[in-house]
Amino acid sequence: QSVLTQPPSASGTPGQRVTISCSGSSSNIGSNYVYWYQQLPGMAPKLLIYRNNQRPSGVPDRFSGSKSDTSASLAISGLRSEDEADYYCAAWDDSLSAAVFGGGTKVTAL
Amino acid sequence: EVQLVESGGGLVQPGGSLRLSCAASGFNFNGYSMNWVRQAPGKGLEWLSYIDYNSRTIYYADSVKGRFTISRDNARKSLYLQMNSLRVDDTAVYYCAKWGEVGPTGAYFDYWGQGTLVTVSS
Repeated sequence: QSVLTQPPSASGTPGQRVTISCSGSSSNIGSNYVYWYQQLPGMAPKLLIYRNNQRPSGVPDRFSGSKSDTSASLAISGLRSEDEADYYCAAWDDSLSAAVFGGGTKVTAL
Repeated sequence: EVQLVESGGGLVQPGGSLRLSCAASGFNFNGYSMNWVRQAPGKGLEWLSYIDYNSRTIYYADSVKGRFTISRDNARKSLYLQMNSLRVDDTAVYYCAKWGEVGPTGAYFDYWGQGTLVTVSS
């Protein structure tokens, strides 16, 4: 059971907008930054979004992050086949004194 | 270019020990905190441990506290994870990850290694 809750799967046709939710609590998302990671099949995770909505250099601007209260979301605008991957949200949890991840969402381009 | 290369994984019996290493290059290793994160087969990511740049602040996940020990050698630009009392459910790919935040709290892993597989089985 993950501390942060994500839907196990999401899908869309190429070009569509896909949104992934991440639900937490006041001790993690509610009081700390949210981060998003993309893991392509057979690869190591890659940082996609940091500090709620910031993109590292090289990450396309069709990836965007947002946060509200104890929830966060990742949006992929204009879904591409190469975006098929597992996506994880993460945050620091003050109660656990630990970094926590969501269970991951598998994104499929139909 | 930042590079993190893990080594030391392999097959170990339950109750055994293993020491993982992570060789860093391409950045000022002794200026950054580091972490270990693992992923069991077919499962999600699990953060394990954090160590700051001078080894003064260390955190562990409850699942490994008392069994695993994180350490670093800044002269060798290397990060380590000593794993004792290994259990079958410790079977996973173990990643080292560079910390991107200024302080010790967050989940900002800006660079990852390729991982090393640890299999705990009799």
